Amino acid sequence: DTGVSQDPRHKITKRGQNVTFRCDPISEHNRLYWYRQTLGQGPEFLTYFQNEAQLEKSRLLSDRFSAERPKGSFSTLEIQRTEQGDSAMYLCASTLEGGGGSTDTQYFGPGTRLTVL
Amino acid sequence: AQSVTQPDIHITVSEGASLELRCNYSYGATPYLFWYVQSPGQGLQLLLKYFSGDTLVQGIKGFEAEFKRSQSSFNLRKPSVHWSDAAEYFCAVGADSNYQLIWGAGTKLIIKP
Repeated sequence: DTGVSQDPRHKITKRGQNVTFRCDPISEHNRLYWYRQTLGQGPEFLTYFQNEAQLEKSRLLSDRFSAERPKGSFSTLEIQRTEQGDSAMYLCASTLEGGGGSTDTQYFGPGTRLTVL
Repeated sequence: AQSVTQPDIHITVSEGASLELRCNYSYGATPYLFWYVQSPGQGLQLLLKYFSGDTLVQGIKGFEAEFKRSQSSFNLRKPSVHWSDAAEYFCAVGADSNYQLIWGAGTKLIIKP
């Protein structure tokens, strides 16, 4: 199976620590999205990349959040100085824009569940 | 601003019964509409989507949805649910070729045996 993968699946950290999550999209997909999902809510858009370019980052929750996709393949989401309010599921999705067939469908990974103590 | 409302937080139906999950959206132009399902420990899986054309859309696992512009709705239906359909269902609206989906809060489907 070559779906979207995320690592780690679970992360427990202490308040104030930095954390980094990784997302590996479906290999031919050129767009990659990050979302946050809290209990009882739908996903909340954070940012997205077209290849290595970060085209929208105004929805990142604060300047403690940053994301990269240096070679246009995998992406990382970093949260600095974590706070208890950062506890959530962080979801990654990818899609192929500009192609034919089943484009425009976002394929999601299983998520990384972050718990900040 | 775009928004999506799923009025039902939980719905309980008996196995074999029909199902309808409601979704209302607010958007100024013709939206892109999606239904996803999320099972515990699983990623979000696309059930179906509407971009244009026939307003009755068929999806996977026997689901269908109907786009009603006059009601700003995109309700999900299934004629006979199975226990394996128990999950959380999310409606989402997008624009500009699927960038930045806006999501509803989800409806949790509980199946009674």
